[in-house]
Amino acid sequence: SQTIHQWPATLVQPVGSPLSLECTVEGTSNPNLYWYRQAAGRGLQLLFYSVGIGQISSEVPQNLSASRPQDRQFILSSKKLLLSDSGFYLCAKRDRTEGYTFGSGTRLTVV
Amino acid sequence: AQSVTQPDIHITVSEGASLELRCNYSYGATPYLFWYVQSPGQGLQLLLKYFSGDTLVQGIKGFEAEFKRSQSSFNLRKPSVHWSDAAEYFCAVGEVRGGYNKLIFGAGTRLAVHP
Repeated sequence: SQTIHQWPATLVQPVGSPLSLECTVEGTSNPNLYWYRQAAGRGLQLLFYSVGIGQISSEVPQNLSASRPQDRQFILSSKKLLLSDSGFYLCAKRDRTEGYTFGSGTRLTVV
Repeated sequence: AQSVTQPDIHITVSEGASLELRCNYSYGATPYLFWYVQSPGQGLQLLLKYFSGDTLVQGIKGFEAEFKRSQSSFNLRKPSVHWSDAAEYFCAVGEVRGGYNKLIFGAGTRLAVHP
């Protein structure tokens, strides 16, 4: 989607290394923002969502954290990656005009 | 909690054949329902959505879906499949809990198309 920018597109990281995935969005202000993960052969699992700056809700306990330092910036982080963190990470936003929009994703491989 | 079930993990059809992908949901109120398609290594593209009104919803790429409240289903159909339709398809329900909106996805159905 042109209104959601995710980078990098692919990432290979060693076990125990830190992680930072960034998502920036365009469009209306104060959108709801989401991080989803798709593990190999599995569906999409909601990890975090945010309704505003500094407001983060976690859906499942895990090795990851999220932050929203600016209205249109959503960051997914880890201090020490695990093999099980491998997967396809999708950022999404929801606003009143466009509904839900998804980014193109980041494929993370932890080795 | 809301849930979405896609009973078929993999489906293979011949090009030109008809297609139906099944989706069942669990939701207490009138659901907001969506179908998304994901090509390999790509993000999600919205095919169609149902909020209210006519229970037969038309989407992009020749897809349609029918909301059946009595069966808690929202099956996706296409009368004639093209090779380019090979992808993974996700059904989702929009949940509102505590004033927050979320999409809950099914596990997906991977579609293969034989020439």
